Amino acid sequence: AQSVSQHNHHVILSEAASLELGCNYSYGGTVNLFWYVQYPGQHLQLLLKYFSGDPLVKGIKGFEAEFIKSKFSFNLRKPSVQWSDTAEYFCALANDYKLSFGAGTTVTVRA
Amino acid sequence: EAGVAQSPRYKIIEKRQSVAFWCNPISGHATLYWYQQILGQGPKLLIQFQNNGVVDDSQLPKDRFSAERLKGVDSTLKIQPAKLEDSAVYLCASSRLETEAFFGQGTRLTVV
Repeated sequence: AQSVSQHNHHVILSEAASLELGCNYSYGGTVNLFWYVQYPGQHLQLLLKYFSGDPLVKGIKGFEAEFIKSKFSFNLRKPSVQWSDTAEYFCALANDYKLSFGAGTTVTVRA
Repeated sequence: EAGVAQSPRYKIIEKRQSVAFWCNPISGHATLYWYQQILGQGPKLLIQFQNNGVVDDSQLPKDRFSAERLKGVDSTLKIQPAKLEDSAVYLCASSRLETEAFFGQGTRLTVV
């Protein structure tokens, strides 16, 4: 069985601070990994994805994530957050056509 | 391209009543997912279709939930009878084979 765990439930930070959200997964085989974001009142949107190749992937709005196979991790980073980054962030794992989500991290950016 | 369409956006029903949700995926997307998202939790997969066949329904409470995808396009998810704990947002998503999923706006169900 595959599972995704996100370490932080709620993160509060100030504008211009750096952000890192942890994501670990459990699955021994080949995986596709995603970060989705849900802004208040909006639907889930894809931030970035990793299928293969360069383990450092860049997404929209200045986000990036690093796949570390040995640690079963896919952490999300942004060097300088903005107020508009306030949202809920979900890590997801796809394998054997199944897409599983972590519990999510709520990020609140204070102006 | 048009996104995933879901209706209704909101629904309030009494417990023991029945309810149905509709989803129209992005054209050409063979895979369709239904997720349940309870407040404060991540989306939980209820059922996944590949064209009109079921790939995974292991977490679907089959005594009360049912879903179908006729002709491999639109899908409906039904709850009968509803319980208070079914209050959640029901998300529909679609994807091409082994690519990222695109989500609809969801249906917020409140069972009173």
